[in-house]
Amino acid sequence: AQSVTQLDSQVPVFEEAPVELRCNYSSSVSVYLFWYVQYPNQGLQLLLKYLSGSTLVKGINGFEAEFNKSQTSFHLRKPSVHISDTAEYFCAVSALTDSWGKLQFGAGTQVVVTP
Amino acid sequence: NAGVTQTPKFRVLKTGQSMTLLCAQDMNHEYMYWYRQDPGMGLRLIHYSVGEGTTAKGEVPDGYNVSRLKKQNFLLGLESAAPSQTSVYFCASNRPAGSGANVLTFGAGSRLTVL
Repeated sequence: AQSVTQLDSQVPVFEEAPVELRCNYSSSVSVYLFWYVQYPNQGLQLLLKYLSGSTLVKGINGFEAEFNKSQTSFHLRKPSVHISDTAEYFCAVSALTDSWGKLQFGAGTQVVVTP
Repeated sequence: NAGVTQTPKFRVLKTGQSMTLLCAQDMNHEYMYWYRQDPGMGLRLIHYSVGEGTTAKGEVPDGYNVSRLKKQNFLLGLESAAPSQTSVYFCASNRPAGSGANVLTFGAGSRLTVL
């Protein structure tokens, strides 16, 4: 089984400042890794994913994440945030051995961007 | 292309009442899922389906039933609603493994309140 820990439940940040959202996972098998974003009153949409290859993954809206296998982490970063980045962010994992694509989600990190 | 559509968007029930949430996708996806989202707990998998006529239990299946009579539709039923089932419910769909690697497409959610 897999588990995902998002280390911060809420991250306040000023506009144009950098932000890092931390995600650690636990799994006995290799995994795929994902970050999803949920804007207020909306569903989830994919920000980026790590399947294989380069450990630095670039996603939409200027976000990037780095897969660190030794530390079992997949932290999300953005060098300069906008007000529109206010949202909840979810880290998720899926086991490579899972043929049905089921995702295990973290508890989420609420990002609040203020002017 | 509507993607994943959930109905209804909002519903208030009294304890003991029954209801069905409908999820419809127009992407010809094989796999479909029902998650519930609760504050501080992220998304948890209730049931999923890997094809028409097949369903399986997820992490929190108790109190829910599902059906997949048509490939494009996945129904979530509550036979006797309880206050603990107050939540936001998300449906998602996915292509089979190897054809898109676990990128789920989510609906906008259905907010259910049980009094």
